Amino acid sequence: DQQVKQNSPSLSVQEGRISILNCDYTNSMFDYFLWYKKYPAEGPTFLISISSIKDKNEDGRFTVFLNKSAKHLSLHIVPSQPGDSAVYFCAASVNYGQNFVFGPGTRLSVLP
Amino acid sequence: EAGVAQSPRYKIIEKRQSVAFWCNPISGHATLYWYQQILGQGPKLLIQFQNNGVVDDSQLPKDRFSAERLKGVDSTLKIQPAKLEDSAVYLCASSPQPGLAGSEYFGPGTRLTVT
Repeated sequence: DQQVKQNSPSLSVQEGRISILNCDYTNSMFDYFLWYKKYPAEGPTFLISISSIKDKNEDGRFTVFLNKSAKHLSLHIVPSQPGDSAVYFCAASVNYGQNFVFGPGTRLSVLP
Repeated sequence: EAGVAQSPRYKIIEKRQSVAFWCNPISGHATLYWYQQILGQGPKLLIQFQNNGVVDDSQLPKDRFSAERLKGVDSTLKIQPAKLEDSAVYLCASSPQPGLAGSEYFGPGTRLTVT
């Protein structure tokens, strides 16, 4: 039973355009959501997070949107750069804990 | 600042054999995690240590997996005996602040192949 889903295994975007990565969850108890980025042969690195009391969090080119009623969140990258090419994982936790449930990831390719 | 170190980076073993992975966290980080990432899936937490005590090992298959962090620094994760479904990347992470989501630093992982 996948509690966190990323239904697009891969996404290709032109450099300079917007990348939108989607994540859906089933557990209504999740109250904290994070995005991690992973390059090949490296461990994931934390990118951005959002609490369930917010519907948007922005950090430079990265913005995460949360729609609690739809149990959906998305990561927007604007403008996309070739260095953004990586696997992006969505993760969620209950009570802001560090026992996250990760989604399967979306591989983003930004084409020059 | 040096990152989280893991060794070996790759390991191939036959089923029913034993294997051990080593992790050296970032200096001063009291919290240490082991994750299992099966191909095509996201990382799954196996065990969390706070110093040398176990905080959460609810998803660790204790019949074959064991982990220790004797002096609150380095940690080892052992599988005995290995099964085909244990083929995965094993990630170690450390954090300076327990309970602060997003504060973890991940190592590069050990890729285990069980044949």
